[in-house]
Amino acid sequence: AQKITQTQPGMFVQEKEAVTLDCTYDTSDPSYGLFWYKQPSSGEMIFLIYQGSYDQQNATEGRYSLNFQKARKSANLVISASQLGDSAMYFCAMRRGAQKLVFGQGTRLTINP
Amino acid sequence: GAVVSQHPSRVICKSGTSVKIECRSLDFQATTMFWYRQFPKQSLMLMATSNEGSKATYEQGVEKDKFLINHASLTLSTLTVTSAHPEDSSFYICSARGLNYEQYFGPGTRLTVT
Repeated sequence: AQKITQTQPGMFVQEKEAVTLDCTYDTSDPSYGLFWYKQPSSGEMIFLIYQGSYDQQNATEGRYSLNFQKARKSANLVISASQLGDSAMYFCAMRRGAQKLVFGQGTRLTINP
Repeated sequence: GAVVSQHPSRVICKSGTSVKIECRSLDFQATTMFWYRQFPKQSLMLMATSNEGSKATYEQGVEKDKFLINHASLTLSTLTVTSAHPEDSSFYICSARGLNYEQYFGPGTRLTVT
């Protein structure tokens, strides 16, 4: 069975600091995709970054980077220079089969001024 | 970028009535859409996969007769909660699948059943 685990229910970080949100996964499929989404209090799911299992390099998108360690089955999200607007729920997800997404429990990130 | 809309954004209905939620892909065609449910402070749970022109595929434990899904066109999928009860109160989110299997999410619909 495929499973995503986010072990940090909540994180508190000072503004401008970098933050790492943990995500581990479990799958027996050789081909899979890993996603990070941000969900602010409004409820919308905002796509942040994607990493394919065969990608040789870690994905980066602006202030977001994904620390992909395949052997350890981890796909941590790193946010550099955090901003107050980064406060939100963050979900790690894995593509299951051809299309379904399985989500982790989420991490609530709070950026303190 | 790809945009997915949902309507309504909020709905309050009385117990026993039915509610229809629409999910539209605005600038692309989506043969596959997904419906999720999210309870407060919890993660998204996939309810069903909606395929254009065919029956939806429901996840284990989801009542297909209660949550009716219709994907009549390449840009529209609807979820109807029939005979709604207070325990159906939740945040319902749809997503549309893109060409590279990415998913674009709608803004969600908050359903409250009184």
